[in-house]
Amino acid sequence: IVLTQSPDILSLSPGERATLSCRASQSVSGSFLAWYQHKPGQTPRLLISDTSRRATGVPERFSASGSGTDFTLTITRLEPEDFAVYYCQHHGNSPPWTFGQGTKVEVK
Amino acid sequence: QVALVESGGGVVQPGKSLRLSCAASGFNFKNYAMHWVRQAAGRGLEWVAAIYYDGSNAHYADSLTGRFTISRDNSRNTVFLETNSLRAEDTATYYCARDLYRASRGYLDKWGLGTLVTVSS
Repeated sequence: IVLTQSPDILSLSPGERATLSCRASQSVSGSFLAWYQHKPGQTPRLLISDTSRRATGVPERFSASGSGTDFTLTITRLEPEDFAVYYCQHHGNSPPWTFGQGTKVEVK
Repeated sequence: QVALVESGGGVVQPGKSLRLSCAASGFNFKNYAMHWVRQAAGRGLEWVAAIYYDGSNAHYADSLTGRFTISRDNSRNTVFLETNSLRAEDTATYYCARDLYRASRGYLDKWGLGTLVTVSS
C-alpha cells in the first residue's frame, strides 16, 4: 500500500484548525491506519491507531477518521507544541507497514 | 520508564557492513515485537524490518533486497539490525521501536532517539 499525504506543508497560526489528509493506493483493510507526530530531535509519537483511536495521553484536540482509501487527522485548535511533522502509516496483519511522506505543520 | 537506546551507527564505506543494536529497558522486552525504522536527512520515515516477540518470524521492506537481517536476544533485552552491502542510499538515522503486540503488527508506541549511519567513501 502506498500512502500519499496532503498537503506537504500546512502553514497555520496557533488556535487555528488543521486538517491533514492521507490517501491509500488501495483500500486499507480493517481500518488499520495510524498517525504519528515527529518533532526535530525527539522520538516519533504514536497519536492515533485503528483510524480513530487516540493513544494514551494524546489530547482530545487530536481526532481522526476515514475508511477505505481516505483518512483524515484533525487538530481542532493548534497549540504551540503541535507544530511538527505528521505521518500516516498502514498497520495491522499485513506487512510492509508503510508510512506516508509526511505533512509538516508550520507556524504561519 | 520505557527506554530504547540505539547504538552501532557510524561512517562506513559502500559495500561494508554494520551491526546496529537497540537496548531496551523499563518493560518486559520478551513480550513485544520490535521494529527498525529509518529516516534519511530531509526525508520521511521508512519502515525497515520487524521481528516477533520470540524471534520466530521476521519481515522486511521489499526495497532492502535481502541485505538486512533483524534479530533479538531476549536474555539481553536487545534487538539487532545487521546491515550488509551498504549503499549511499542507506544513509539515515535508524530508529528502533516497540510494537504493542507480540506478533508484529506495526503499532509503534515507543521509539528510541536513533543512531546515524553514514555510507560514504
